Amino acid sequence: DSGVTQTPKHLITATGQRVTLRCSPRSGDLSVYWYQQSLDQGLQFLIQYYNGEERAKGNILERFSAQQFPDLHSELNLSSLELGDSALYFCASSPQGAVGAFFGQGTRLTVV
Amino acid sequence: AQTVTQSQPEMSVQEAETVTLSCTYDTSESDYYLFWYKQPPSRQMILVIRQEAYKQQNATENRFSVNFQKAAKSFSLKISDSQLGDAAMYFCAYRSAKGTYKYIFGTGTRLKVLA
Repeated sequence: DSGVTQTPKHLITATGQRVTLRCSPRSGDLSVYWYQQSLDQGLQFLIQYYNGEERAKGNILERFSAQQFPDLHSELNLSSLELGDSALYFCASSPQGAVGAFFGQGTRLTVV
Repeated sequence: AQTVTQSQPEMSVQEAETVTLSCTYDTSESDYYLFWYKQPPSRQMILVIRQEAYKQQNATENRFSVNFQKAAKSFSLKISDSQLGDAAMYFCAYRSAKGTYKYIFGTGTRLKVLA
């Protein structure tokens, strides 16, 4: 158990809908990352937050947005969903220093 | 921009044997960190080993060790005494020591362990 909690684990929704993925980082970790992994693909960096502020942005679509709240949990909002958005979405958190990023179990999103 | 390349899409190893997975990266920075992650069929991402670029000594974690060649920008993972549970996707990752601290991943190597 990495200590990072993601909910829900699975999500099935229709095209055009909007969903929210939730992440609770490890206790004390200020950084939260979101990654997208399509079937048999690598991990694509979406966005990073540090202590409530956006720190870095990757190839995140305009239909996607995220935020980190004062209690450090984070949410990734995906709207106007398309079939191609079906993927495993990972949240990871890391402490100060470079000990590595610790990943949640992911949310498997299926858009039908 | 930094990039990470894993040129071996798939590797196989006999149980109890040793296998080396390759990773190269491109960066103009002198200070950074490198990681290997394991992703078993459960899809959980598990940190296997980390290496600081300023350290010449190669990192070791039990049966896992790395060969870090800074000048060549190479960071390979050696798995000794391979076990069936080592079968997984392995991802190499880079993180800058400054700036955004995002983790950049390679495309992965699928490791099969043969009984």
